[in-house]
Amino acid sequence: GAVVSQHPSRVICKSGTSVKIECRSLDFQATTMFWYRQFPKQSLMLMATSNEGSKATYEQGVEKDKFLINHASLTLSTLTVTSAHPEDSSFYICSARERGWGSGYTFGSGTRLTVV
Amino acid sequence: QKEVEQDPGPLSVPEGAIVSLNCTYSNSAFQYFMWYRQYSRKGPELLMYTYSSGNKEDGRFTAQVDKSSKYISLFIRDSQPSDSATYLCALPGGANNLFFGTGTRLTVIP
Repeated sequence: GAVVSQHPSRVICKSGTSVKIECRSLDFQATTMFWYRQFPKQSLMLMATSNEGSKATYEQGVEKDKFLINHASLTLSTLTVTSAHPEDSSFYICSARERGWGSGYTFGSGTRLTVV
Repeated sequence: QKEVEQDPGPLSVPEGAIVSLNCTYSNSAFQYFMWYRQYSRKGPELLMYTYSSGNKEDGRFTAQVDKSSKYISLFIRDSQPSDSATYLCALPGGANNLFFGTGTRLTVIP
């Protein structure tokens, strides 16, 4: 089945620094990838839709200058949290949709970001 | 009104019990219905998906959709401690969006 690899699984960074999270589709091409944020005991909140070769589409209320998304190839999307602050601490999850398979979405294993 | 409503629980059951997890939705245009399972600090994994009304069975899991009531259910038979996780219903809406329920945290007690 489709596999999405997300790295790193856990990162601790200092306030003011930037952190990059990678999301790779291992055995399929994904023209579209999605980035979610999840707070403890809450559901997933869609942050943005990453489109290969074009600009990402951000959900309302998500700062595009703070959460930079790059989808440079059909198998890789990256999310960079710029100038991170403690309130950015959260669980970030990516997902990808395999072409030609209904509406199936495969999720990465998530990245727990802690900003100190 | 939220697109998808789900009781967050938590739900605790003894091993071997039948578990019923439910969601309601507001938009009758939804066609696909999915259930994801999420273990602590992991990404969600697709458990089952159904299209249109009716039942779909996969081992100990049964997904049920009632489009007339806008009500979807996931039943787990002979529940096991390894089933302890958060279960999220999800409905694809449009080209890219996936509407999630809040998730129900399930604990199966040995």
